[in-house]
Amino acid sequence: AQSVTQPDIHITVSEGASLELRCNYSYGATPYLFWYVQSPGQGLQLLLKYFSGDTLVQGIKGFEAEFKRSQSSFNLRKPSVHWSDAAEYFCAVGVWLSFGAGTTVTVRA
Amino acid sequence: GAVVSQHPSWVICKSGTSVKIECRSLDFQATTMFWYRQFPKQSLMLMATSNEGSKATYEQGVEKDKFLINHASLTLSTLTVTSAHPEDSSFYICSAKGTGSNQPQHFGDGTRLSIL
Repeated sequence: AQSVTQPDIHITVSEGASLELRCNYSYGATPYLFWYVQSPGQGLQLLLKYFSGDTLVQGIKGFEAEFKRSQSSFNLRKPSVHWSDAAEYFCAVGVWLSFGAGTTVTVRA
Repeated sequence: GAVVSQHPSWVICKSGTSVKIECRSLDFQATTMFWYRQFPKQSLMLMATSNEGSKATYEQGVEKDKFLINHASLTLSTLTVTSAHPEDSSFYICSAKGTGSNQPQHFGDGTRLSIL
């Protein structure tokens, strides 16, 4: 069975600082991995996806994620956070998405 | 590209009425559409998966007679909450996926349903 764990429920980061959100997955084969972002009261927007190939994936809004098979991880990173990055972030795995519980990101001035 | 439109974005109605939510893929053909429910501060819970022209596949615990799903075309799926009650109040989100296992799901903006 496939599953996703996002260990951090809530992260607070200062504007301009770097951000890393953790995601660990359980999957039987080479996984399809996704990161989505959700602003309050809105649907989900796809930030980036990994299917195969280069393990460092570039996404929209300056985000990137690195697939590490040995660690079963797909962590999301951004070098310099903007106030508009405050949102809920979901990691998901599989063709039929299994979502993690989400990580709430708060950005302080 | 890959825009999914969900309508309405917010609806308030009386207990006992039925509410229909539409999900449209605007610039691609969605062979599969998904309906999720999201409670406050929680992740998305998959309710059902629908393929165009077929009956929807419901997740365990989801009442198919309560949540009617129709996927009549490659660009439109509807979710009808029948005889809605206050406990059905929630945030409902649809997503659409094109053909091919490597196509991601694209999400609508969600519908806030409040039953009085």
